[in-house]
Amino acid sequence: DGGITQSPKYLFRKEGQNVTLSCEQNLNHDAMYWYRQDPGQGLRLIYYSQIVNDFQKGDIAEGYSVSREKKESFPLTVTSAQKNPTAFYLCASSITSGGTGELFFGEGSRLTVL
Amino acid sequence: KQEVTQIPAALSVPEGENLVLNCSFTDSAIYNLQWFRQDPGKGLTSLLLIQSSQREQTSGRLNASLDKSSGRSTLYIAASQPGDSATYLCAGTFSGGYNKLIFGAGTRLAVHP
Repeated sequence: DGGITQSPKYLFRKEGQNVTLSCEQNLNHDAMYWYRQDPGQGLRLIYYSQIVNDFQKGDIAEGYSVSREKKESFPLTVTSAQKNPTAFYLCASSITSGGTGELFFGEGSRLTVL
Repeated sequence: KQEVTQIPAALSVPEGENLVLNCSFTDSAIYNLQWFRQDPGKGLTSLLLIQSSQREQTSGRLNASLDKSSGRSTLYIAASQPGDSATYLCAGTFSGGYNKLIFGAGTRLAVHP
């Protein structure tokens, strides 16, 4: 089945540690995105990538880093510079050219800082 | 600044009721608007996408409309069921922000038997 796989589903981190969240898609989508969701708030864009080896900062990129070495993979690293990293992280993908712009999401990764 | 707002934040209705969820946006230069469903602790499931050239889209008991001039979209759910209980989010893509969705905070719907 085609879809987006995020791992791990739950992750605990000590303060000062970097952690990497995985996002893999087999939909052959060009664009991939990382969003952060906090309770009672809408999703906020962290980073997005429209093509391999290229990515752009979203609205809340500080303290995060990404890479896009393969079309199907877009890992997100939450660094120790992120002051309030506890949140639900969602990865998404979409077709760029010739598509409707519809986004498809993974099941999310919940990060808790201890 | 482009903003998307959803009111109310929570809604509780009896089973069988027809209901409307509201979404408003500040920028009429909208490229498309998407409605999602989110179950607790889960990712988002795309329900309907309306392009700027369209007025509405339908899928089963769901109907979504888009009025660019008034900056509003509505999601109509017919004959609601307990299984419809979830959070519903709307998100818009605006000119100049290709595929960068701006989300509302969502409406948490509870349908009770």
